[in-house]
Amino acid sequence: AQSVTQLGSHVSVSEGALVLLRCNYSSSVPPYLFWYVQYPNQGLQLLLKYTTGATLVKGINGFEAEFKKSETSFHLTKPSAHMSDAAEYFCAVSISNFGNEKLTFGTGTRLTIIP
Amino acid sequence: ETGVTQTPRHLVMGMTNKKSLKCEQHLGHNAMYWYKQSAKKPLELMFVYSLEERVENNSVPSRFSPECPNSSHLFLHLHTLQPEDSALYLCASSQDTGQHAETQYFGPGTRLLVL
Repeated sequence: AQSVTQLGSHVSVSEGALVLLRCNYSSSVPPYLFWYVQYPNQGLQLLLKYTTGATLVKGINGFEAEFKKSETSFHLTKPSAHMSDAAEYFCAVSISNFGNEKLTFGTGTRLTIIP
Repeated sequence: ETGVTQTPRHLVMGMTNKKSLKCEQHLGHNAMYWYKQSAKKPLELMFVYSLEERVENNSVPSRFSPECPNSSHLFLHLHTLQPEDSALYLCASSQDTGQHAETQYFGPGTRLLVL
């Protein structure tokens, strides 16, 4: 079975500072990894995903994440935080299961941007 | 109208009421999902439909009854709910199931309060 752990349910950073949201996964087979963002009163929106190939994945709004197999991690980063980045961020993992694939989500990290 | 829409956005109901949540996707997708989002818990997958057939039911109580009349519409019928069922109910769609790199597109959710 797969699982996802997001370290830190709340993260605060100053506007212009580096954003780092941590995600570790557990999977017995090669995973596909996702980051979704949820703005207030909205559904989840895909930020980026890792499937195969290049381990550094670039997404929307200047976010990127790096798949590190040796560390079983898929941390999300952004060099310079903007006020509009305030939202909740969810890491998710999916593995191939012969047509029964499904996403397993972490508990989420709420990002607050300090002016 | 584009994307995934859900109605109503907010719902308050008593434990003896019967109500229905509606989801519509305008993306031409073949798969649709219901999730439950509760505070401080990972998203819980409730039901998955592929081409109008239910392919997954994650041990959801029978007081939740899904219906998928066609690939664009998904309903969740509610009856004799409990206060612990209060949550945000999210609908999502994807092109297909069975492809574990699939991106899921989420609606804004229905905020349900059971009194």
